[in-house]
Amino acid sequence: GQNIDQPTEMTATEGAIVQINCTYQTSGFNGLFWYQQHAGEAPTFLSYNVLDGLEEKGRFSSFLSRSKGYSYLLLKELQMKDSASYLCAVRVDTGGGNKLTFGTGTQLKVEL
Amino acid sequence: GAVVSQHPSRVICKSGTSVKIECRSLDFQATTMFWYRQFPKQSLMLMATSNEGSKATYEQGVEKDKFLINHASLTLSTLTVTSAHPEDSSFYICSAREDAGGQGYQPQHFGDGTRLSIL
Repeated sequence: GQNIDQPTEMTATEGAIVQINCTYQTSGFNGLFWYQQHAGEAPTFLSYNVLDGLEEKGRFSSFLSRSKGYSYLLLKELQMKDSASYLCAVRVDTGGGNKLTFGTGTQLKVEL
Repeated sequence: GAVVSQHPSRVICKSGTSVKIECRSLDFQATTMFWYRQFPKQSLMLMATSNEGSKATYEQGVEKDKFLINHASLTLSTLTVTSAHPEDSSFYICSAREDAGGQGYQPQHFGDGTRLSIL
């Protein structure tokens, strides 16, 4: 089976930097995604990693270490609108296609 | 960017009613669509993978006769919750995977979700 762990909640200050960690244990690993989800809304795609290393996209960066089963999402210059749930999702190759397994999400609260 | 439309956004109905939810990819083709269920403050749980022109693949524990999935075209999948009961109340979200993502990783794009409340 798949096991994905993220912290349940985090709090950070506007303008600061926050790192959200994700660890996973899975077979058939075929990439890791980060999504942002505001309450009552659908998730929106933030980033994708399939090889080790850092992917940067504006204020958001994501890192992957496949040997350690570890990823993090880095948010810089935090804004109030960044308050949301951040979902780590691992894509696995089931042999019959790819599917995503989601972590429980990290609820980030940005304060003044 | 890729847009997925999900309709209706909210349904409130009596126990025993069947409810149909539509998921459309508006500007791309999607051979594969996914249906998720999400309870409050919990993550998305994959219910089934919908494949255009063939039967859906259901996850363990999901009743295929209860949750009927039809994927009749490359842009439309429907989920019908048959004879819904209060325990079926949840947030249902669909996603569509681009068949030919230029990025090479075929991202999934999500609909806005359907909040189903069964009285």
